[in-house]
Amino acid sequence: GDSVTQMEGPVTLSEEAFLTINCTYTATGYPSLFWYVQYPGEGLQLLLKATKADDKGSNKGFEATYRKETTSFHLEKGSVQVSDSAVYFCALSDRRWGSNYKLTFGKGTLLTVNP
Amino acid sequence: GAVVSQHPSRVICKSGTSVKIECRSLDFQATTMFWYRQFPKKSLMLMATSNEGSKATYEQGVEKDKFLINHASLTLSTLTVTSAHPEDSSFYICSARRPLAGKTKNIQYFGAGTRLSVL
Repeated sequence: GDSVTQMEGPVTLSEEAFLTINCTYTATGYPSLFWYVQYPGEGLQLLLKATKADDKGSNKGFEATYRKETTSFHLEKGSVQVSDSAVYFCALSDRRWGSNYKLTFGKGTLLTVNP
Repeated sequence: GAVVSQHPSRVICKSGTSVKIECRSLDFQATTMFWYRQFPKKSLMLMATSNEGSKATYEQGVEKDKFLINHASLTLSTLTVTSAHPEDSSFYICSARRPLAGKTKNIQYFGAGTRLSVL
């Protein structure tokens, strides 16, 4: 079945540091890829997405590029802020007919940014 | 962005009682909703897929009779935890998928979650 593997945390950075959270996937079909963010005590919010190879998703300074050849979708940000502290989930969506586009999530990476 | 409302945000109940959690899509019609369970420091585990007007499709290992799902309308799905026990204590999250349309297709919008504690 489909699966997502992302780097285990926790990740602790100082403000303005560079962030990379690795994510790789295995999928039977040609999935869409997502990064979701979960702030403490809240549900998930879509951070960015990419639907085909070489697409770059971006939002709030975060970026991730759909790399089909390496089956990866690494999350990056050039300069993190304290407000970026959260859990980040990499996910893929099965687009095959009848799948209902259900999401498969990685285990999540806790990011803590210190001032 | 699209809004999904989940209620209640927190519930504490006695063992043996049933608890109902509501998930509403406030500004779009969701033909498909999903229910997830999240354990501490673990990922989200899909419990079931709920399609309006039909029976929910449960993932392997999820008890249908324990976790009753009703998708009565295009904007409302409910999850009822029947005869709850302490091991059912968890964070339950719903999501709603917008119908296939433009840039919003294939995106799930999540509720804020419900923290269930069974005493």
